[in-house]
Amino acid sequence: TQLLEQSPQFLSIQEGENLTVYCNSSSVFSSLQWYRQEPGEGPVLLVTVVTGGEVKKLKRLTFQFGDARKDSSLHITAAQPGDTGLYLCAGASGSARQLTFGSGTQLTVLP
Amino acid sequence: DAGVTQSPTHLIKTRGQHVTLRCSPISGHKSVSWYQQVLGQGPQFIFQYYEKEERGRGNFPDRFSARQFPNYSSELNVNALLLGDSALYLCASSLGGRIVDYGYTFGSGTRLTVV
Repeated sequence: TQLLEQSPQFLSIQEGENLTVYCNSSSVFSSLQWYRQEPGEGPVLLVTVVTGGEVKKLKRLTFQFGDARKDSSLHITAAQPGDTGLYLCAGASGSARQLTFGSGTQLTVLP
Repeated sequence: DAGVTQSPTHLIKTRGQHVTLRCSPISGHKSVSWYQQVLGQGPQFIFQYYEKEERGRGNFPDRFSARQFPNYSSELNVNALLLGDSALYLCASSLGGRIVDYGYTFGSGTRLTVV
C-alpha cells in the first residue's frame, strides 16, 4: 500500500510570512499533483510534476518534485488570506489511473 | 461550460439503507472516477470508469458499486450503509484514463451522513 505523509497537518501564519509544506513517501510515483480544497468544494488542481528534480512556479507558489520521485514540497512566498485552504498532495503510479492522496495540510493565513 | 455536476449535494440516510450518488462529467470527458473523503483526511480512490468500463477499483467492500452510462455520466451505489460511510463523495472527470496525461477536474461532492 502506497502512503503519502504530509506535514505539517495544521499551519497558522500571519499575512506576509513564507511557508513550506512537505509530502513524503517511501514509494516512487510517476507523477505528483498538488490540489487546494476549500470547505464544501472539491479539490482544485494547482500543478502536476512528472520529472525527478522538477521545479514549477505558479505566481507565489513553488512546487518541487524530489530527485527520486518519492517526495515533494510546496513553498508559498508572502502568504495572503486568500491562500487559506486545505492543501493536498497526490501521487499517481503504475497505470496512473488513480491517485493516492496525502492527509492534507490545513493552512490558515491571518490578516 | 458546466463543470462536473454531482447530485444530490447533501444526503442523510439511516444505517442499512441504500444510496445512489450521481455525477455528470465535463462535456467531452470520457473518464469518471469516484473518491471518498472522510472528515480530516485526504480523498481515497473508489473506482475509475473509462469508456463505460471499470478500469480501476480501490480497497472498498463489495457494498460499493458503480457504473457509467453511454453519455459518460456515472452512478455510485452503496448498499447496507454503515455509520463509517459518512463522508464527502467526490466525482472527478478527465478526458482520458491516465491522470498524468489529462488531469482531473473534481465536482463539489455529495455530503453523505449516515445516522
